[in-house]
Amino acid sequence: DAGVIQSPRHEVTEMGQEVTLRCKPISGHDYLFWYRQTMMRGLELLIYFNNNVPIDDSGMPEDRFSAKMPNASFSTLKIQPSEPRDSAVYFCASSLGGPYNEQFFGPGTRLTVL
Amino acid sequence: RKEVEQDPGPFNVPEGATVAFNCTYSNSASQSFFWYRQDCRKEPKLLMSVYSSGNEDGRFTAQLNRASQYISLLIRDSKLSDSATYLCVVSTGRRALTFGSGTRLQVQP
Repeated sequence: DAGVIQSPRHEVTEMGQEVTLRCKPISGHDYLFWYRQTMMRGLELLIYFNNNVPIDDSGMPEDRFSAKMPNASFSTLKIQPSEPRDSAVYFCASSLGGPYNEQFFGPGTRLTVL
Repeated sequence: RKEVEQDPGPFNVPEGATVAFNCTYSNSASQSFFWYRQDCRKEPKLLMSVYSSGNEDGRFTAQLNRASQYISLLIRDSKLSDSATYLCVVSTGRRALTFGSGTRLQVQP
């Protein structure tokens, strides 16, 4: 069975460019989470969706970040314009039945902004 | 005060040793508790849930102390393959799950 799929796995871009990260959750899961992980701040929740509806986006750093979930099998996290401090590993995770249930993580996207 | 606090380590232990990690949480209303494991440059994966009465899974034992607001993870007979970062995870209301920064374990031959 396919797990959570993320693309791209690595992204190197220059400051000011737009970056789009993609996620396909596990089929049937009704919760989707976006996290950012850095050495300094650990794993931070950015936003999560339930049945494609954003529930809590209070972790989104600023207006440069936006996330969408147009259907149950696809979500995007967009950064525009990107800055060097956005460099991190971005994980997508999904869960079934509730935000406090086991979350299954994708392999992550390692983003470097030069 | 952070919502979830862990000693970052590293804990360096020889194979076969017993090692324990603690984690404290600030929200007394938290109801769900987990330990996740994260290998270097990999995604976090669930190791075990933590139940009020404590629970065991093979060499791993998890305990919850609600009065003192901490959870613990005990690993017996450490293996080289146990080397990883262990993340304490706690439910924190609307913010779903909050992950601690992790405790790094290095098991040495």
